[in-house]
This record gives sequence, structure tokens and C-alpha cells, in this order.
Amino acid sequence: NAGVMQNPRHLVRRRGQEARLRCSPMKGHSHVYWYRQLPEEGLKFMVYLQKENIIDESGMPKERFSAEFPKEGPSILRIQQVVRGDSAAYFCASSPTAPFGTSKADGYTFGSGTRLTVV
Amino acid sequence: TQLLEQSPQFLSIQEGENLTVYCNSSSVFSSLQWYRQEPGEGPVLLVTVVTGGEVKKLKRLTFQFGDARKDSSLHITAAQPGDTGLYLCAGEIVGNYQLIWGAGTKLIIKP
Repeated sequence: NAGVMQNPRHLVRRRGQEARLRCSPMKGHSHVYWYRQLPEEGLKFMVYLQKENIIDESGMPKERFSAEFPKEGPSILRIQQVVRGDSAAYFCASSPTAPFGTSKADGYTFGSGTRLTVV
Repeated sequence: TQLLEQSPQFLSIQEGENLTVYCNSSSVFSSLQWYRQEPGEGPVLLVTVVTGGEVKKLKRLTFQFGDARKDSSLHITAAQPGDTGLYLCAGEIVGNYQLIWGAGTKLIIKP
């Protein structure tokens, strides 16, 4: 029973290039969340998606960042024209149910992350 | 802005000692989760507390949710080097898709 799979684990991009981060949720999970983490800090919410729908992208910069979760295939977080400030660990999490109002929330299952380094 | 303040940010103690990590907020949470994160890995869920005043135990770890559901604590008894890691709390607010995260407590247990 595979967990949340993220790839690549490490990604190095030059300034101005594009970064594509992939996330395959756990089997049976249709809710995907992307978080960003800077060194020695907590996680910052970016976007919440269900299959083919973006539900909440309030944490994602309006420019250069986009996310999708197609009917088939993994969720993709795409960063265009990367800058040094984009260097961070990007984590994907999945859950079987919607996050709010779940008083018996089981928590989120996180992937191992993609560490993006912009040089 | 909803904040979850976690303290201490860093803690280094000897094996066998006890410690407590705190998460405090002015917001009311429908649930609060504690995670542990190893270097180079994603956070792993330890426990979810839901009811005000709830206490959950996981071996030597005791988690408590405040009566008003605004704060939580993690107490470790007789810490061991294997407890070393980054401990994160995260709160869920009804009607909000986001988890609100504390900045984490970096814990080092010296043998």
C-alpha cells in the first residue's frame, strides 16, 4: 500500500527555468494539498485540489505558480521562471475526505517532498 | 491572521529527562494534529485531538487539547535519543481548507 509519492526528490533549476513537481496521492485519496517549507520553519499552505478542481489556491502566488490534479495521473505543481526565493521543500499531502468539518479527522499523509534549489 | 505559536523553538536535553512542547492560539480549532518530521522527510502524523480537554497517550508521549480548543501540549517522559526530530503542531479550523501550522520545535536528545 504505497504512500504519497513525490518526485523528483531533489530538483535543481537555474533562474528563469520551469520546475515541475509531481505528487501521486495514496490509493483511494482524492484530496491533495501542496505545502511549502523553508528551512527550520513550519509548513505554509499553497493549494488544495480535488480531481480536476482547484478548491482553494489562496496560499499560492498569483504569478508563476500553478497547480493541477487531472482525472488521470498525478497532481502537478508548476513554477515558471523560477527565482532564488522559490528554493524550498515542497510537500504534497493527501486525504480521503474533505478537510473541514471533519471532527474525526485522521490527519494528512505527506509525501517525502521535493527539495527545489534554484541556482 | 490565524497564528499557532509553538514553543520552545529549540530544545536540547539529556536522555531520561522530561519535556513539554506547547502550541497556543487565539483561534478555536476543530481538531489539532501533532506531527514529527525527520530531516529530508515529510511530516508524519502522531496524533489528532478533537475534544476540548482530551488527553491521548502514545507510549511515552502525552498529548493534551485545551478545554477551549485553543491550545495543546506534547509531553515526553524519559526522552530517548530516538525522539530527536522536528515536532510540528497543526490546527484545523471549521470552514477553512488550510491547516494552520506552528513553526516547529527542534528537539535533540543527547545520549
